[in-house]
Amino acid sequence: EAGVTQFPSHSVIEKGQTVTLRCDPISGHDNLYWYRRVMGKEIKFLLHFVKESKQDESGMPNNRFLAERTGGTYSTLKVQPAELEDSGVYFCASSQVPSITSTDTQYFGPGTRLTVL
Amino acid sequence: LAKTTQPISMDSYEGQEVNITCSHNNIATNDYITWYQQFPSQGPRFIIQGYKTKVTNEVASLFIPADRKSSTLSLPRVSLSDTAVYYCLVGDGRDDKIIFGKGTRLHILP
Repeated sequence: EAGVTQFPSHSVIEKGQTVTLRCDPISGHDNLYWYRRVMGKEIKFLLHFVKESKQDESGMPNNRFLAERTGGTYSTLKVQPAELEDSGVYFCASSQVPSITSTDTQYFGPGTRLTVL
Repeated sequence: LAKTTQPISMDSYEGQEVNITCSHNNIATNDYITWYQQFPSQGPRFIIQGYKTKVTNEVASLFIPADRKSSTLSLPRVSLSDTAVYYCLVGDGRDDKIIFGKGTRLHILP
């Protein structure tokens, strides 16, 4: 079974540019999450999709970030315009049930390393 | 969510048993304890979860005392490939998000 995949693995852009990150969850997983780790900080939750609907977007830092999940399959996270402080690693995770108390827990992708110059 | 406290880093040698203890003094009745492992350049990976007493799987064991105010992740006979960051998480599942702390950076030496 394929795991969560993310594309690209690394992106280097200049301040003010736009970048779109993609996440393909495990097939059949209705729940999709975005997290990020900025330099020196802990991994922080960004948002949670249930199928194509945003269940919780309380972690989105500002309106420069736009997440979509059309059709309830893959998801994209667009940063426009990118700022220096957006640099970090963006992780995507998916699960069948939205709970850390289930053995069917969140499965993480390898992350996309974003560098904004 | 209950706050957790764990060592910032640990070093050990190949072949040894490594125990990482996590404190969670204000754990609630419905909370489970979950550990994630993160290798360099990878996303976190679930390794074990428990509620009380002892849980063992092919990767690790999790020891939880009766008062549940702490838990110990035990890795038997570690190898260099066990070098990773280990996160202790506590929650009842009502919150959809995982809240990661700083984790414990485990470095295995030859």
